[in-house]
Amino acid sequence: GAGVSQTPSNKVTEKGKYVELRCDPISGHTALYWYRQSLGQGPEFLIYFQGTGAADDSGLPNDRFFAVRPEGSVSTLKIQRTERGDSAVYLCASSRDRSNSPLHFGNGTRLTVT
Amino acid sequence: AQKITQTQPGMFVQEKEAVTLDCTYDTSDPSYGLFWYKQPSSGEMIFLIYQGSYDQQNATEGRYSLNFQKARKSANLVISASQLGDSAMYFCAMRVRTGNQFYFGTGTSLTVIP
Repeated sequence: GAGVSQTPSNKVTEKGKYVELRCDPISGHTALYWYRQSLGQGPEFLIYFQGTGAADDSGLPNDRFFAVRPEGSVSTLKIQRTERGDSAVYLCASSRDRSNSPLHFGNGTRLTVT
Repeated sequence: AQKITQTQPGMFVQEKEAVTLDCTYDTSDPSYGLFWYKQPSSGEMIFLIYQGSYDQQNATEGRYSLNFQKARKSANLVISASQLGDSAMYFCAMRVRTGNQFYFGTGTSLTVIP
């Protein structure tokens, strides 16, 4: 079946601009995660959705970052007033949300802020 | 607090040999799961193997096995009969029962030498 789909695969934007990153999870997966990965680092947690609600947004670095999942499927990560430090690969993952269920990752969106 | 530590930034192994990638973890939650992921240079995160904290036997999946030593809080990945396609970054991750996040280590870069 189809895996996790993320669009765009690459995004270049100027400092101060607004960006939206989209994630389409595996059908039937109730849990959706956003992670950020900088070069040479492991994925860093941003936010977790159970259904439509953000069950844990403790990883969002500041109020410029926001994410939604209005119908419990597709999710959008929104970054306002982008900064050069936001440049990273943004990974989306979904799972069945059972304790032994692994994350299934998309291919990521590489965000570059110039 | 939960933490994953991978102390080997880079490892080399001869083709067809076995290699062990180290992972130690820290949590006070008695119920948790440990996961290993492979990230080739193309960027996708591929789930390899899972070990639950109450599992009595070490997990195995094909050429991958997990050397789980609960008392030492270690969950090392063993790859047998290494292949050139095994060259990639490998990440250890943990999820505790009482939390939502998956915590990732900083990864180990494995290079298989022909």
